[in-house]
Amino acid sequence: SQKIEQNSEALNIQEGKTATLTCNYTNYSPAYLQWYRQDPGRGPVFLLLIRENEKEKRKERLKVTFDTTLKQSLFHITASQPADSATYLCASSGSARQLTFGSGTQLTVLP
Amino acid sequence: GAGVSQSPSNKVTEKGKDVELRCDPISGHTALYWYRQSLGQGLEFLIYFQGNSAPDKSGLPSDRFSAERTGGSVSTLTIQRTQQEDSAVYLCASSPHSNNEQFFGPGTRLTVL
Repeated sequence: SQKIEQNSEALNIQEGKTATLTCNYTNYSPAYLQWYRQDPGRGPVFLLLIRENEKEKRKERLKVTFDTTLKQSLFHITASQPADSATYLCASSGSARQLTFGSGTQLTVLP
Repeated sequence: GAGVSQSPSNKVTEKGKDVELRCDPISGHTALYWYRQSLGQGLEFLIYFQGNSAPDKSGLPSDRFSAERTGGSVSTLTIQRTQQEDSAVYLCASSPHSNNEQFFGPGTRLTVL
């Protein structure tokens, strides 16, 4: 079955810098990957979806890449702000139309 | 418009009791998902409903867990004879159809004493 691995340790960066989060999948190349943001005590909120045949997707300060050779997606937040502090979840589409989630990376942007 | 709602927001129960968790999806969304999230962990898929098709129950951890979706809308997740290891946040999500972004509710925090 598919496994999703994300940076297990928390990531601290300085305000204004670019945050880069990593998502690796272990088995088959998924049809798409999704990225979600989760704040404490809340459900995840959808951010971006990138399909297998897309190398890069952008939305405002967010950028996602999909490298099927490395079996990896990178999630970038440029010009980071303290309000970007949250846990970011990567999810892979599955053969059974449900998502397989990673355990998330906790990002803290320091003022 | 209204998002996905779940009730109760918190539930404390004693080991061995049955609990029912409710999810109201976004109107018109045909796909509905239940996940479980333990402290510091990712989301664990439990069950998926799509329209009138038979649900995908492949993620249910034991036969103590069951779920229904009535009229293609509201869903109820039932846990019978709860155990302490069932303590977690139970999240519901809906989607216009499968293979789309999912809209999550705030979750129900279940604590089994």
